[in-house]
Amino acid sequence: GEDVEQSLFLSVREGDSSVINCTYTDSSSTYLYWYKQEPGAGLQLLTYIFSNMDMKQDQRLTVLLNKKDKHLSLRIADTQTGDSAIYFCAESPILTGGGNKLTFGTGTQLKVEL
Amino acid sequence: SQTIHQWPATLVQPVGSPLSLECTVEGTSNPNLYWYRQAAGRGLQLLFYSVGIGQISSEVPQNLSASRPQDRQFILSSKKLLLSDSGFYLCAWSVDRNEQFFGPGTRLTVL
Repeated sequence: GEDVEQSLFLSVREGDSSVINCTYTDSSSTYLYWYKQEPGAGLQLLTYIFSNMDMKQDQRLTVLLNKKDKHLSLRIADTQTGDSAIYFCAESPILTGGGNKLTFGTGTQLKVEL
Repeated sequence: SQTIHQWPATLVQPVGSPLSLECTVEGTSNPNLYWYRQAAGRGLQLLFYSVGIGQISSEVPQNLSASRPQDRQFILSSKKLLLSDSGFYLCAWSVDRNEQFFGPGTRLTVL
């Protein structure tokens, strides 16, 4: 079945860039997502990328996709203390018209230190 | 705009008691609906999803059940809770594209 892997922890200093990495196994993955979860809260969709794209930028967030290596990364520029959270990578296959199930990674805990 | 509600926000229940968690979506029609559990290990486990009223697909065998009595209402239930049912339960919805939008979650503790 599909598998999505992430490293568990990342610690950065405020103002530095953070890079959170994700690898997936499903070659039919069409949409790839990054979600943010703050303590005790639900998941917030940050951004997504379609598999025919290499890069997507949205303000401080940059998503890079290496489809050959099945590697996805999220770069947060000028990381702030408010960015401390768990970041989930997720993938889904081509639109199926029913279910649209996502496979989530285990999440990366980002800690921003002063 | 669309919103998703879950209640209760927190719940403490004894082993063997019943459970009913509710999720409602506003501002959209015929959404796909999902129930996830997030245990202490942080990973998200898909429990159930529904593509329409009365249509429920179960992803893993378990002590829980789900129902969709109305288009924008999704209910997670159990007749007898187990200790292992403790966790953070998240409801989500999606429509045209695959991205899912999550509710605020319910923290369930079974004692």
